[in-house]
Amino acid sequence: AQKITQTQPGMFVQEKEAVTLDCTYDTSDPSYGLFWYKQPSSGEMIFLIYQGSYDQQNATEGRYSLNFQKARKSANLVISASQLGDSAMYFCAMREGPIYNQGGKLIFGQGTELSVKP
Amino acid sequence: GAVVSQHPSWVICKSGTSVKIECRSLDFQATTMFWYRQFPKQSLMLMATSNEGSKATYEQGVEKDKFLINHASLTLSTLTVTSAHPEDSSFYICSARGLAGLKNIQYFGAGTRLSVL
Repeated sequence: AQKITQTQPGMFVQEKEAVTLDCTYDTSDPSYGLFWYKQPSSGEMIFLIYQGSYDQQNATEGRYSLNFQKARKSANLVISASQLGDSAMYFCAMREGPIYNQGGKLIFGQGTELSVKP
Repeated sequence: GAVVSQHPSWVICKSGTSVKIECRSLDFQATTMFWYRQFPKQSLMLMATSNEGSKATYEQGVEKDKFLINHASLTLSTLTVTSAHPEDSSFYICSARGLAGLKNIQYFGAGTRLSVL
């Protein structure tokens, strides 16, 4: 069964500094996708970044990058130049199976609450 | 990203009444929709998956007679909490996924906070 683990319940970072949010996963399926979502206090889930298991390069989207270490089964999110608006819950998620298939469930980790200090 | 609209954003109801929550994909056809439940400071728990025109698949432990899901069109899914009780109070979030490229990203609605008195 697939499993996602986020071991940092809360993190603090100074504004303008970089921060890494940890995520490890476990799956026996060679084909899977890893996702990061941001959930501000308003509750909406905002998609940030995606990494496929067969992608050769680490994904990047603006200030977000995903440090994908397949052998270690980790998919850490790196946020560069933190902003006050980055304060939120961050969830790592995984879906097994080929990414172009319609099947597969998105399973979430426990989340990390990030607080950006001015 | 794609837009998913969820309505209402907040509802208070009396115990024993039913509440309907709507989830719409506004700019894409959602072949699959998902309903999640989230308690404060906790992760999202998948309740059910629905494909347009077919019955929803419920996760283990979720009462399908309590949480009725209808996915009648490619842009609309509804969750009805029947005979709601205080223990059903929670944050419910819908998610939609379509053939939006190879990544098949799941996009989420803004959620519905349900309070049952």
